[in-house]
Amino acid sequence: AQSVTQLGSHVSVSEGALVLLRCNYSSSVPPYLFWYVQYPNQGLQLLLKYTTGATLVKGINGFEAEFKKSETSFHLTKPSAHMSDAAEYFCAVRGPSSGSARQLTFGSGTQLTVLP
Amino acid sequence: DGGITQSPKYLFRKEGQNVTLSCEQNLNHDAMYWYRQDPGQGLRLIYYSQIVNDFQKGDIAEGYSVSREKKESFPLTVTSAQKNPTAFYLCASSMASGGVRADTQYFGPGTRLTVL
Repeated sequence: AQSVTQLGSHVSVSEGALVLLRCNYSSSVPPYLFWYVQYPNQGLQLLLKYTTGATLVKGINGFEAEFKKSETSFHLTKPSAHMSDAAEYFCAVRGPSSGSARQLTFGSGTQLTVLP
Repeated sequence: DGGITQSPKYLFRKEGQNVTLSCEQNLNHDAMYWYRQDPGQGLRLIYYSQIVNDFQKGDIAEGYSVSREKKESFPLTVTSAQKNPTAFYLCASSMASGGVRADTQYFGPGTRLTVL
């Protein structure tokens, strides 16, 4: 079984400040990890994903995340927040088992507010 | 443009009525999914389908039904047995349903269902 914990349901930052959204996971096998973003009343859009290889993953809109196996974490960062980054962010985990459905387990989400 | 469409965007239902939510994709994806989203709870998997004419229950299938008669279509019926159906419903799809590669799930824009 796998699970995802997102620390902080609401995070506020000032425009131009560092964005840090936390995600910790539990998985009995090496995980595949994802970050999605959701704008109000819209579907989810993939920001970035980690499968294997380089542990620092770069995504769209200047976001990146680092997979730290020892800490079971996959925190999302962006050096400088823009007003357009205000949205809800979801971390998700999937076990790389072959022959099974591609089921994702999602965290409960973090609402990011960017202050002018 | 390729993508996933969901209709309607907003749906109102009286108690005791069944309603069907549409999901269509032209991405030629094998797998399709239905999620339910409630505030503060992230996304929960209702049903998923890896191939045509086959589908499996997710974590919260009670009160819902699906069909997969065509590769591009995966409609969800919310039955009167679903006790608390008011929610935001998201459909997603992904590529190959077998193997060990992680497959990104692509999401539709969602349908907001309100029970009156």
